[in-house]
Amino acid sequence: AQKITQTQPGMFVQEKEAVTLDCTYDTSDPSYGLFWYKQPSSGEMIFLIYQGSYDQQNATEGRYSLNFQKARKSANLVISASQLGDSAMYFCAMRESQTIFGAGTRLFVKA
Amino acid sequence: DAGVTQSPTHLIKTRGQQVTLRCSPKSGHDTVSWYQQALGQGPQFIFQYYEEEERQRGNFPDRFSGHQFPNYSSELNVNALLLGDSALYLCASSFTRDTQETQYFGPGTRLLVL
Repeated sequence: AQKITQTQPGMFVQEKEAVTLDCTYDTSDPSYGLFWYKQPSSGEMIFLIYQGSYDQQNATEGRYSLNFQKARKSANLVISASQLGDSAMYFCAMRESQTIFGAGTRLFVKA
Repeated sequence: DAGVTQSPTHLIKTRGQQVTLRCSPKSGHDTVSWYQQALGQGPQFIFQYYEEEERQRGNFPDRFSGHQFPNYSSELNVNALLLGDSALYLCASSFTRDTQETQYFGPGTRLLVL
């Protein structure tokens, strides 16, 4: 069965520094997709970055990069140069036949 | 380029009532998925519609039903509401021929059952 684990309920980071949000997953399907979403207090889920299970290189999108370690089944999100606007909930998700989400990590960016 | 829209934004119902939530997908998308997000939790998959048929279903009772229209918009219906149905309901759309099948979400409908 699919499973997504985010072990950090909350994280603090100083403005302009980098932060890593952890995500591990479990699946027996060789073909899957991994996603990270940001959810501000308004509630809308904002797509950040995607990594396919067959992708050889780590995905990057602007200040977001995904540290994909397939053998360890981890897909950590790295946010560089944190900004105050990055304060939000962050969800890791995995798609096989369905998309399942982790419990989320709340990120606080300190000025 | 219009994103995913949902209506209404907020809704208050009482136990036993029925509710209908609506979703219009992002332009060019043909697949709609619905999620329930309880307070402090991640979204839980309810079901997905493609070509006006339910393609996938999560672990939700038959009180939850849906529909997709020829213009790809979708409705989520919940019958016999329970207090535990209070949640944020998120609609997400995607394009089936997108190899990533990235889902883009609407702003959600906040349902409160009293």
